[in-house]
Amino acid sequence: ETGVTQSPTHLIKTRGQQVTLRCSSQSGHNTVSWYQQALGQGPQFIFQYYREEENGRGNFPPRFSGLQFPNYSSELNVNALELDDSALYLCASSSGPRDRRHLGSYEQYFGPGTRLTVT
Amino acid sequence: QKEVEQDPGPLSVPEGAIVSLNCTYSNSAFQYFMWYRQYSRKGPELLMYTYSSGNKEDGRFTAQVDKSSKYISLFIRDSQPSDSATYLCAMIPNSGYSTLTFGKGTMLLVSP
Repeated sequence: ETGVTQSPTHLIKTRGQQVTLRCSSQSGHNTVSWYQQALGQGPQFIFQYYREEENGRGNFPPRFSGLQFPNYSSELNVNALELDDSALYLCASSSGPRDRRHLGSYEQYFGPGTRLTVT
Repeated sequence: QKEVEQDPGPLSVPEGAIVSLNCTYSNSAFQYFMWYRQYSRKGPELLMYTYSSGNKEDGRFTAQVDKSSKYISLFIRDSQPSDSATYLCAMIPNSGYSTLTFGKGTMLLVSP
């Protein structure tokens, strides 16, 4: 079984630039969620993708956007980077969106994250 | 008030001690409760999850949920230095999207 992978591992960008982060979901998983984790904080939900459609969004501005591809891999794009965007960006995959008949769909497995530094 | 409150620690214990980690929450709609372990500069690793109230045991780990008090706990028996990490509680509501709401995490340090 292949776990969740993310690239790149680290990234340094300048304020105002754009960045694209990538995630490959765990084998057999079709749902990808993105989270932002600032230093010393718990992860904050950005958005979720299921079958290439956005399936929920947290309290993040529109300059945070995403894509999911037919192979269920995903991208997170951030435009007009701000200093406060510096954080660990985590991708999590699961076997589907909410399904009370299948409690396993609630299990989200995280990748190692991409550490973004904005200067 | 944040939806999920968790003492950031650090919590320092000697090897072999029983560790108790806790979270409180304010949203009564939370129905699914998870515990994640996160080593420094790594992604969170799912340890356990429980549905509604009750206990769940897995090896040295026991998760408890008390929905009447809006209080969840993770107990670690016979703690090991390799348990040193940040422990994050996370919750999902009974309806809507299956998105995780996390606490800030508690840093645990187990000394040999």
